[in-house]
Amino acid sequence: QVQLVESGGGVVQPGTSLRLSCAASGFTFSRYAMQWVRQAPGKGLEWVAVIWYDGSGKYFADSVKGRFTVSRDNSKNTLHLHMSSLRAEDTALYYCARENFGISGYPFDYWGQGTLVTVAS
Amino acid sequence: QSVLTQPPSVSGAPGQRVTISCTGSSSNIGAGRHVHWYQQLPGTAPKLLIFGNTNRPSGVPDRFSGSQSGTSASLAITGLQAEDEADYYCQSYESGLTVSYVFGTGTKVTVL
Repeated sequence: QVQLVESGGGVVQPGTSLRLSCAASGFTFSRYAMQWVRQAPGKGLEWVAVIWYDGSGKYFADSVKGRFTVSRDNSKNTLHLHMSSLRAEDTALYYCARENFGISGYPFDYWGQGTLVTVAS
Repeated sequence: QSVLTQPPSVSGAPGQRVTISCTGSSSNIGAGRHVHWYQQLPGTAPKLLIFGNTNRPSGVPDRFSGSQSGTSASLAITGLQAEDEADYYCQSYESGLTVSYVFGTGTKVTVL
């Protein structure tokens, strides 16, 4: 079965960096675009970033552009979110999700359980 | 980046029908971009509920249905059940020069 397991979250100070990881299993990872979505405490979902199946395309929300980047290792079935210049407003639960180009409209059909990032001094 | 507007909350008694609206614009839903719906039960990750405006993934009860018209979309829950109490989010895409995704503001469904 499809599994996505995020890791790497923690408490960090403003201005610092952090790398999140998402370990994928149960599907052919290299065939799917992967997403990062975050949810601030008590708030709604916010799209963060997408990386194409082969890493050739990477796109970001305006709120993180220039500070976050995304990468993947298809040989290890792993997705990463590299976050720098972290701000208090980046505090959130970060989810990775699979984007399914095989069904209508390309929804996010599987989600991990999330990893919590807290930015505080 | 734009957001899709949803009512903060809706409620209904067991067995009733409730609907959740998702209002976008000519740059997303109105541009023909598909709408998806996600259900987030308390303390859990979002789960895909409706994709491509009207389609249900395997295992989703047919009490849930989606529709789209113009710049808006809707999720209907008929025969409301206690386990439907959750947050619901719509999601679509922005048309433009770059790739951008957009979520709705979220709706809390309360079963009275």
